[in-house]
Amino acid sequence: NAGVTQTPKFQVLKTGQSMTLQCAQDMNHNSMYWYRQDPGMGLRLIYYSASEGTTDKGEVPNGYNVSRLNKREFSLRLESAAPSQTSVYFCASSERQGGYEQYFGPGTRLTVT
Amino acid sequence: DQQVKQNSPSLSVQEGRISILNCDYTNSMFDYFLWYKKYPAEGPTFLISISSIKDKNEDGRFTVFLNKSAKHLSLHIVPSQPGDSAVYFCAAPRGRMTGGYQKVTFGIGTKLQVIP
Repeated sequence: NAGVTQTPKFQVLKTGQSMTLQCAQDMNHNSMYWYRQDPGMGLRLIYYSASEGTTDKGEVPNGYNVSRLNKREFSLRLESAAPSQTSVYFCASSERQGGYEQYFGPGTRLTVT
Repeated sequence: DQQVKQNSPSLSVQEGRISILNCDYTNSMFDYFLWYKKYPAEGPTFLISISSIKDKNEDGRFTVFLNKSAKHLSLHIVPSQPGDSAVYFCAAPRGRMTGGYQKVTFGIGTKLQVIP
């Protein structure tokens, strides 16, 4: 039972390149989330998927797209990376929507040069 | 607009003593609070929560206290252990559930160091 897994762990991109961050959970959770964490700031929600087949914007969605591929998998895509997207990205899942406890992956450290 | 504030960026405590981590909030509509713990290079993990109908919740060495009139909550760790050294985030869901989601606001975290 791996919980929430994320790939890759580290990535360096040049400005303008694209990439997809992968996330999968094996807890049969309905809701999944993508956050970013920057120094001096709390976790900020980028996108979420309340249930399979639905996705919605969070606080900071600009520059990102998501796909809820199935109940297990939720990917985050950067179409044209910018230095402002240098951050640590966390995927999370929860059994119920919203404020109940969320289970986080180990994170992806992304640097955009 | 930081509705959940952790004003102490760091805290050092001797092993065996009490650690007290504080969190203030501004939105009186918050009715549920969570604490997460995060080690370096790992994702946050849920630690303990409290509903606004309670003023205390205890789980082993961890106790969360809620003072609604002061809009303040605190996490007590007794006794502190070196393995407790981590960043601690408080979080609160806010607003009505819309579209099947209730937004969660996280504080910026407090880094706890427990000195052996």
